[in-house]
Amino acid sequence: AQKITQTQPGMFVQEKEAVTLDCTYDTSDQSYGLFWYKQPSSGEMIFLIYQGSYDEQNATEGRYSLNFQKARKSANLVISASQLGDSAMYFCAMREGNKLVFGAGTILRVKS
Amino acid sequence: KAGVTQTPRYLIKTRGQQVTLSCSPISGHRSVSWYQQTPGQGLQFLFEYFSETQRNKGNFPGRFSGRQFSNSRSEMNVSTLELGDSALYLCASRKTGANTEAFFGQGTRLTVV
Repeated sequence: AQKITQTQPGMFVQEKEAVTLDCTYDTSDQSYGLFWYKQPSSGEMIFLIYQGSYDEQNATEGRYSLNFQKARKSANLVISASQLGDSAMYFCAMREGNKLVFGAGTILRVKS
Repeated sequence: KAGVTQTPRYLIKTRGQQVTLSCSPISGHRSVSWYQQTPGQGLQFLFEYFSETQRNKGNFPGRFSGRQFSNSRSEMNVSTLELGDSALYLCASRKTGANTEAFFGQGTRLTVV
């Protein structure tokens, strides 16, 4: 079974600075995909970025990028130039069959 | 393009009652999944439907059930509600494909009193 570990319950970052949210995973599959979602206080889960295990380059989407280290089984999310609107819960997830397995999440607070 | 729509947004029910939640996926998405989110257990998979067939079910009691209609809309039902069923219920839809991203609705927040 897949397992996702997010070891940072909460993080603070100063506005305009970069922040890294950690995610490690465990899987015996050779082909897999990792997802990051943002959940603001409204509750909706917003898809941010996807990394495939065979992708040769780290994924990037605007201010979001993934620091993917396959040998270490880590897929850390980097948010550059943090904004106040980035304050939310962030989840790392992996697909297991037809379902997503989520980590416990990291609460990010951006300070002005 | 409309996103995933869940109704209602909020519900308050009494123990022992039953409840039905609705989810309309993004047009063209045939896979619909349901998740329960609680502070104690985090996000847990309930079930997944594709073309009106349940393909996967999570580790939940039989009081939790669901179905999918021919237009891909899905409903989930919880019977004989318990206090512990209070949670945010999230629905997600996606296209077929091994690692396509899932798009979530805003959720239905159920409170059982």
